[in-house]
Amino acid sequence: NAGVTQTPKFRVLKTGQSMTLLCAQDMNHEYMYWYRQDPGMGLRLIHYSVGEGTTAKGEVPDGYNVSRLKKQNFLLGLESAAPSQTSVYFCASSRERDTEAFFGQGTRLTVV
Amino acid sequence: SQKIEQNSEALNIQEGKTATLTCNYTNYSPAYLQWYRQDPGRGPVFLLLIRENEKEKRKERLKVTFDTTLKQSLFHITASQPADSATYLCALGNYGQNFVFGPGTRLSVLP
Repeated sequence: NAGVTQTPKFRVLKTGQSMTLLCAQDMNHEYMYWYRQDPGMGLRLIHYSVGEGTTAKGEVPDGYNVSRLKKQNFLLGLESAAPSQTSVYFCASSRERDTEAFFGQGTRLTVV
Repeated sequence: SQKIEQNSEALNIQEGKTATLTCNYTNYSPAYLQWYRQDPGRGPVFLLLIRENEKEKRKERLKVTFDTTLKQSLFHITASQPADSATYLCALGNYGQNFVFGPGTRLSVLP
C-alpha cells in the first residue's frame, strides 16, 4: 500500500518555464489537496478536489492550475513559473473533509 | 481574518520530561482540531483528532486538550524521547470547510 505518491521529488525550473506535479493515491479517497510549505508560514492550501472531475481554489491559487480526471490522480500545473513559487509542495488525500489527511513525501521546487 | 499561533517556533526539553505544545487561534470557531508530526524532508503524519465536544483525547504517550473558551489546544508528550524530536503542526477545521494549518513548533528532545 503506497499511500500518496508525488513525482518528481526535486525540480529546478527557469523563470517562465512550465511543469506539472503528479499526485497519486491508492486509498480510494474522495478528497485531494495541494499545499505549499514555506519557512515560518506553515502549509497553505493551493487547490483541492472533492471528487473526480471537481476542483476548487484554496488560499493561494494564483499561478497554479489543477485537474482531477481520475479519482486517484491530482495534477498541479505551473504555466509560467516565477521565483515566488520556489517552495516545497505537498499533496494530500482524505476520505472525508474531517478525517485524517495522508500526505505525500513532497516536491522541492526551485525557480531560478 | 482567522489566525493560528503555535507557541514558540522551537522548544527544547530534556529527555524524560513532558513536552507541552500550544496551539492558539483567533477569529475562528473550529469544530475539530488535528495534530500532525513532520520530520525533516518528509510529509506531515497524522497523530490525533479532537472534536469541539471532547475535552481531552489520549493515544499512548500523547494527550490533546481542546478548550473552545480559551481558543486553545494543548498537545502533551509524556516521557519524551529523542525520537520525538520533530516539527508538530496543529490544523483547525470546521464542517464544510478545509483545514487550516498553524506554522508549527520544532521540538528537540535532548538526551
